[in-house]
Amino acid sequence: DVKVTQSSRYLVKRTGEKVFLECVQDMDHENMFWYRQDPGLGLRLIYFSYDVKMKEKGDIPEGYSVSREKKERFSLILESASTNQTSMYLCASRTPPSRDEQFFGPGTRLTVL
Amino acid sequence: AQSVTQLDSHVSVSEGTPVLLRCNYSSSYSPSLFWYVQHPNKGLQLLLKYTSAATLVKGINGFEAEFKKSETSFHLTKPSAHMSDAAEYFCVVSDLGTGTASKLTFGTGTRLQVTL
Repeated sequence: DVKVTQSSRYLVKRTGEKVFLECVQDMDHENMFWYRQDPGLGLRLIYFSYDVKMKEKGDIPEGYSVSREKKERFSLILESASTNQTSMYLCASRTPPSRDEQFFGPGTRLTVL
Repeated sequence: AQSVTQLDSHVSVSEGTPVLLRCNYSSSYSPSLFWYVQHPNKGLQLLLKYTSAATLVKGINGFEAEFKKSETSFHLTKPSAHMSDAAEYFCVVSDLGTGTASKLTFGTGTRLQVTL
């Protein structure tokens, strides 16, 4: 079974702090994704990565950056956390493009005070 | 550009009765369509997917969906609801026209409540 793990289930940070959210997948997937989930808005794509050291902006990249130094790990960085970044963050990885299915981690609920 | 509209934010059914969760999509290319389910405090799990093969797609836990190009719809159904089906359901479209860069676009979700 594919496993996507996220470093924390719950996280509380203060405004202005630098925040790292980590995601690891164990299936050698090339593509990895970061989403945020907010009530009534569904999931929105923040950033994705085709492969190591490659990244693309998603639909809402402002206030975020990412890092992919190793194939299995994809990090989301909030350079200076703000209260409007309080949300559920979901990481996903994908099988070869021809199949297109994404596998999701359990999510990190981030609260910024 | 691609988009997906889930027509109901909340659906309530009695256990043992049919479930219908409605989804309409818009896509410039031949789309792939998915339904994902999210149980409370759990990650998203793929229920089923359509990728231009059979238009009636069967998924896990007795769910199925029918791709109707003329109506641009991909409604999710189940003949008989079970209490364990209570969850949030997301309809998702992927625009395969962009090849390896294809991204998923999620609907806003439908929360299914199942009552005794």
